[in-house]
Amino acid sequence: SQQGEEDPQALSIQEGENATMNCSYKTSINNLQWYRQNSGRGLVHLILIRSNEREKHSGRLRVTLDTSKKSSSLLITASRAADTASYFCATPNTGGFKTIFGAGTRLFVKA
Amino acid sequence: DTEVTQTPKHLVMGMTNKKSLKCEQHMGHRAMYWYKQKAKKPPELMFVYSYEKLSINESVPSRFSPECPNSSLLNLHLHALQPEDSALYLCASTATGSGNTIYFGEGSWLTVV
Repeated sequence: SQQGEEDPQALSIQEGENATMNCSYKTSINNLQWYRQNSGRGLVHLILIRSNEREKHSGRLRVTLDTSKKSSSLLITASRAADTASYFCATPNTGGFKTIFGAGTRLFVKA
Repeated sequence: DTEVTQTPKHLVMGMTNKKSLKCEQHMGHRAMYWYKQKAKKPPELMFVYSYEKLSINESVPSRFSPECPNSSLLNLHLHALQPEDSALYLCASTATGSGNTIYFGEGSWLTVV
C-alpha cells in the first residue's frame, strides 16, 4: 500500500500563479522528500524536510510538514511553464531502504 | 544531468527474448535500486542492493533477475517477459540507504511485444 497520497491528482494553472500540492502519509517518518519528474524522464530530488522541521524553503519552493496530521504541502510560487511536471512526495521507512512514493500530482502551467 | 546512467534508453523485446538493462553510478553510493513505473503512476520498488548484496526483493517475478557486479554497476536481466511488463524502469542510488536523497537515472523504456 502506498505510504503517501497526494492531492490534487492534476492541477492546471496560469504562469505566474502559485501551485500547492498536498501529501498525506500513514506511519511515523524521519523525513519527507519531494521529487519532480518531467514527462518520460527520471525523478529529480527537490527538497527534504525532517520530522522536527515545520517549514523549509528552497528558491521558489516552500514545503511544510505537520506530523500531527501526517501531512505535507509543496508550494511553488510564481510558476513558470517549465514547472510543468509530475510532483511526488516520498517517505523513507525507518531503518530500511524502502522509500514509498505518493500517487503524484501532475502540474500543468500554461504560458 | 543525472549522475546515474542507464542504458539503453529504449528497448523493444519479444516475449521469448533475453535482454538486459544496465545502470552505472560513480558517486560512491553503496545502495542501488531498481524501480518500475507505469504511466501516470508512482515508481514501485523492485530490488535493493546494499554493498553489492541483494537486500530487498519486492516479490518480483523471477523473469526479472538483478545483478550487481560491483559497487558502481547494476544490471537487470530480462527473460520471458509479458506485455504487461512494459514500463519505464528506473535505476537509482543513495549514499547509505534509508532516508537519504535518491538519485535517479533517466530510465529505460521497455516495450514487450
